[in-house]
Amino acid sequence: AQSVTQLDSQVPVFEEAPVELRCNYSSSVSVYLFWYVQYPNQGLQLLLKYLSGSTLVKGINGFEAEFNKSQTSFHLRKPSVHISDTAEYFCAVIYPGGDMRFGAGTRLTVKP
Amino acid sequence: DAGVTQSPTHLIKTRGQQVTLRCSPKSGHDTVSWYQQALGQGPQFIFQYYEEEERQRGNFPDRFSGHQFPNYSSELNVNALLLGDSALYLCASRRGQGFYGYTFGSGTRLTVV
Repeated sequence: AQSVTQLDSQVPVFEEAPVELRCNYSSSVSVYLFWYVQYPNQGLQLLLKYLSGSTLVKGINGFEAEFNKSQTSFHLRKPSVHISDTAEYFCAVIYPGGDMRFGAGTRLTVKP
Repeated sequence: DAGVTQSPTHLIKTRGQQVTLRCSPKSGHDTVSWYQQALGQGPQFIFQYYEEEERQRGNFPDRFSGHQFPNYSSELNVNALLLGDSALYLCASRRGQGFYGYTFGSGTRLTVV
């Protein structure tokens, strides 16, 4: 079955600390991977995507993610977070022949 | 450059009624997908339209139907509303059938009472 699992529903972190939001997916074939951010009462904004090539992907707002095919993971990282990074983050996968499937989301709360 | 536009932004309906939500894709985009996002959950794929045809469908009942017009705009219709249909409905657009990621609208918040 095709599934996307975000391992942490909530991640609290202090300002300027590093953060990692974890995402695993189920697949034995090549997929396309995405991270989106959602601020309250807004739609989804694309942070970064992996389609092919280098497994380390850099996105907007200082975020980056690493694709690990053997572990079927696509974890999102930021070396130093800001209060403004507080939001809901969604991992998404496009399976061959399919549309985009999302994880349940991780709420990142950055504390001063 | 306008992004994805959805209307209305908020809507309250009574159980059993019917509702129509509208979406105008980003300029240059011709593929539209609809998602339902219940409170505290990730978006769930409803269906995708391309060239005025439903191309893919998620696990949603036939009460959910849609349409795409020649100008690529789209409508989502939900019949016989249930309380459980209360959610944020997101429209997303992209160019063709490629995998470059969607551009999302801000959504329509539907409340069924």
